Amino acid sequence: GAVVSQHPSWVICKSGTSVKIECRSLDFQATTMFWYRQFPKQSLMLMATSNEGSKATYEQGVEKDKFLINHASLTLSTLTVTSAHPEDSSFYICSARSEGLGSTGELFFGEGSRLTVL
Amino acid sequence: QQPVQSPQAVILREGEDAVINCSSSKALYSVHWYRQKHGEAPVFLMILLKGGEQKGHEKISASFNEKKQQSSLYLTASQLSYSGTYFCGTESLGTNAGKSTFGDGTTLTVKP
Repeated sequence: GAVVSQHPSWVICKSGTSVKIECRSLDFQATTMFWYRQFPKQSLMLMATSNEGSKATYEQGVEKDKFLINHASLTLSTLTVTSAHPEDSSFYICSARSEGLGSTGELFFGEGSRLTVL
Repeated sequence: QQPVQSPQAVILREGEDAVINCSSSKALYSVHWYRQKHGEAPVFLMILLKGGEQKGHEKISASFNEKKQQSSLYLTASQLSYSGTYFCGTESLGTNAGKSTFGDGTTLTVKP
């Protein structure tokens, strides 16, 4: 089945640095990918919709200058957490839906990236 | 708008059944169900698109009511591997590009 891969699976960084997380669709093209944030024992909160070749659409309350999203190709979206602070520590997950004929509508999730900011 | 899931938590003995509900105040385009193990990404279970639809795989099934505002996930003769947090994700009518909103999750614990 379709696979979405995220990298890195975990990262520890110092406060003030920037961290990039990659999301790749391995065997299908995705014009749209989604980025979520999940705190312990809470639901997945949609942060933004990543659109290939255009600007990302951010959910209310999500700082677009803080969470930079780039969707440069049909198989890759990146999330950069800029000037990270301890409150940015979280589990970040991406997802994508295979498109076209035969698509089941299933959202394929990456493995998630756990960010810890010291 | 975030769907409402109930119950928040369920504890079962192996072999028992469970039902998890997911409700919206508005008619939905689709509802999909996922199971997430601790520290892992959610895993897709199934998606329902049509009012009145029911579908399942092995001992896990789901229904979508006629008004497309409520879905239930049925876990029959639960196994230890069913333990995890179950989320429903919903897409509202008119939402662009398949944007999904998730419920708060139901934590299922299956004990031997």
